Amino acid sequence: AQSVAQPEDQVNVAEGNPLTVKCTYSVSGNPYLFWYVQYPNRGLQFLLKYITGDNLVKGSYGFEAEFNKSQTSFHLKKPSALVSDSALYFCAVRDVNNAGNMLTFGGGTRLMVKP
Amino acid sequence: GAVVSQHPSWVICKSGTSVKIECRSLDFQATTMFWYRQFPKQSLMLMATSNEGSKATYEQGVEKDKFLINHASLTLSTLTVTSAHPEDSSFYICSARAGQIADTQYFGPGTRLTVL
Repeated sequence: AQSVAQPEDQVNVAEGNPLTVKCTYSVSGNPYLFWYVQYPNRGLQFLLKYITGDNLVKGSYGFEAEFNKSQTSFHLKKPSALVSDSALYFCAVRDVNNAGNMLTFGGGTRLMVKP
Repeated sequence: GAVVSQHPSWVICKSGTSVKIECRSLDFQATTMFWYRQFPKQSLMLMATSNEGSKATYEQGVEKDKFLINHASLTLSTLTVTSAHPEDSSFYICSARAGQIADTQYFGPGTRLTVL
């Protein structure tokens, strides 16, 4: 079975400081990894994904994530946080070998960026 | 990026009535569509997966006779909540994927259902 863990319910950071939102995963095969952001009363917006190739993936709004196979992690990062980055962030994994091709989500991490 | 729309964005209905939610992929053909349910301050719970022209596959614990899913075309899927009750009140989100396993799933803006 595949699973995703986001160990922090909330991350607080000051505007202009770097931010990290943590994600670890578990799959039986190779993972496809995704990050989504959700603003209040809205659906999820795609930020970035890792399929293969470069471990460092760059996405929308200046976000990036690093795939670390040995640590089974895919942490989301941004060098300089903005107040407008405050939202709910979800990490998700799909097992390449999973016949159901189901996307499994983490519990979400609320990012609060303070001015 | 690809756009997925949902209609309505919110709906209030009386207990016992049925509500239909539409999900459309606007600029791509969605071979597979997904329906999720999200409770306040919680993650998304997958309800069902549907492939165009086939019957939906429901997750364990989801009543297929209560949550009717139709995926009649490559750009449209509908979720009908039949005989809705207050406990069905939730935020329903659809998602669509073009076809390949590596393809990104794009999400609709969600529908807030309140059953009185």
